[in-house]
Amino acid sequence: SQTIHQWPATLVQPVGSPLSLECTVEGTSNPNLYWYRQAAGRGLQLLFYSVGIGQISSEVPQNLSASRPQDRQFILSSKKLLLSDSGFYLCAWSVQGTSPLHFGNGTRLTVT
Amino acid sequence: GIQVEQSPPDLILQEGANSTLRCNFSDSVNNLQWFHQNPWGQLINLFYIPSGTKQNGRLSATTVATERYSLLYISSSQTTDSGVYFCAVDDYKLSFGAGTTVTVRA
Repeated sequence: SQTIHQWPATLVQPVGSPLSLECTVEGTSNPNLYWYRQAAGRGLQLLFYSVGIGQISSEVPQNLSASRPQDRQFILSSKKLLLSDSGFYLCAWSVQGTSPLHFGNGTRLTVT
Repeated sequence: GIQVEQSPPDLILQEGANSTLRCNFSDSVNNLQWFHQNPWGQLINLFYIPSGTKQNGRLSATTVATERYSLLYISSSQTTDSGVYFCAVDDYKLSFGAGTTVTVRA
């Protein structure tokens, strides 16, 4: 069966520090991969999605970037965090094409 | 992009009660999914239902694509049903509604 791993679960970082969040999927090949962000008490905002290695689409201009160095690995990064980057970051995957979306357990990022 | 509206925004239920959550969307969709986010933040996919009716235990969902809405039914609610229910639509780039926060009281 397919599983998705996302770490760390929580992270507190100072303003101006770098960020790296990692997500891996097991049990499937060539998945669509996604990064979403959820501000406190609000809905989910799509940040990036990828349909293959090295293929990244950005949905919202921001202080973040994403990379997909391997088929089942998706990384969210920032060179310098802002206070506004605080939030709940969720990685998700789906089979290529239209199919159910499955989420990791998320990372709660607090930028201080 | 497609606009997604969910109602009601908040719902308080007594354990054992039934309820209906609604999702309206502004255009034709190929993909509609319902999710439950528990109080710890975990998001679980409940239904993939671009059209028709599906049931999973005490939960069921109906999507009427021609009229651009979907309904999620919770029957005999339990405290574990508490959380936020999201509807999401579109192609592989899902757009989420703002959610319905459900609180089930014992």
